Amino acid sequence: GQQLNQSPQSMFIQEGEDVSMNCTSSSIFNTWLWYKQDPGEGPVLLIALYKAGELTSNGRLTAQFGITRKDSFLNISASIPSDVGIYFCAGQTLDDKIIFGKGTRLHILP
Amino acid sequence: NAGVMQNPRHLVRRRGQEARLRCSPMKGHSHVYWYRQLPEEGLKFMVYLQKENIIDESGMPKERFSAEFPKEGPSILRIQQVVRGDSAAYFCASSPSDQGPHEQYFGPGTRLTVT
Repeated sequence: GQQLNQSPQSMFIQEGEDVSMNCTSSSIFNTWLWYKQDPGEGPVLLIALYKAGELTSNGRLTAQFGITRKDSFLNISASIPSDVGIYFCAGQTLDDKIIFGKGTRLHILP
Repeated sequence: NAGVMQNPRHLVRRRGQEARLRCSPMKGHSHVYWYRQLPEEGLKFMVYLQKENIIDESGMPKERFSAEFPKEGPSILRIQQVVRGDSAAYFCASSPSDQGPHEQYFGPGTRLTVT
């Protein structure tokens, strides 16, 4: 079946550092979505990307929809403690299913 | 504006019992999706419903699992004769009728523990 490979699985960074994570697939997606999940909560939509090549920002977050439609990245600039959590990418397939990556766990060192 | 509501937040069932999970979509949303999340995993699609219709149940096990979204009231995910492997977090998401499945808003989840 279709799969998303999300990397890295986890990151340990210092407060103030920039963060970069990505998702790749062998399949084409119509839409890329990035979610953040805090412990004990449901995922919250951060950024949605609808067109190949699209670059979208939401505050300190920037995400891009890859030209090949098979990948996407999410960058977080100047990380702060509340950025801690699990970040999921998700892709909408050609038959309108949403496939999730396994998540990138972001930890911020004191 | 109330978000997607799910209850209960936590549910403990013994093996063989039934579990009923409820989801009330956001106001004005008529599309509901159910997902299952195992520890350290992403969300796995189970079923997509509109009012009184199951649109896509390709991710839902054929036995013991069923879902409905009646004309009135919340969407229900029902698991009969639960087994330990059913222990997971179950999330529902809703989207407006005039948007594609990408505009999904998630509830806080129900954490099912089967003892």
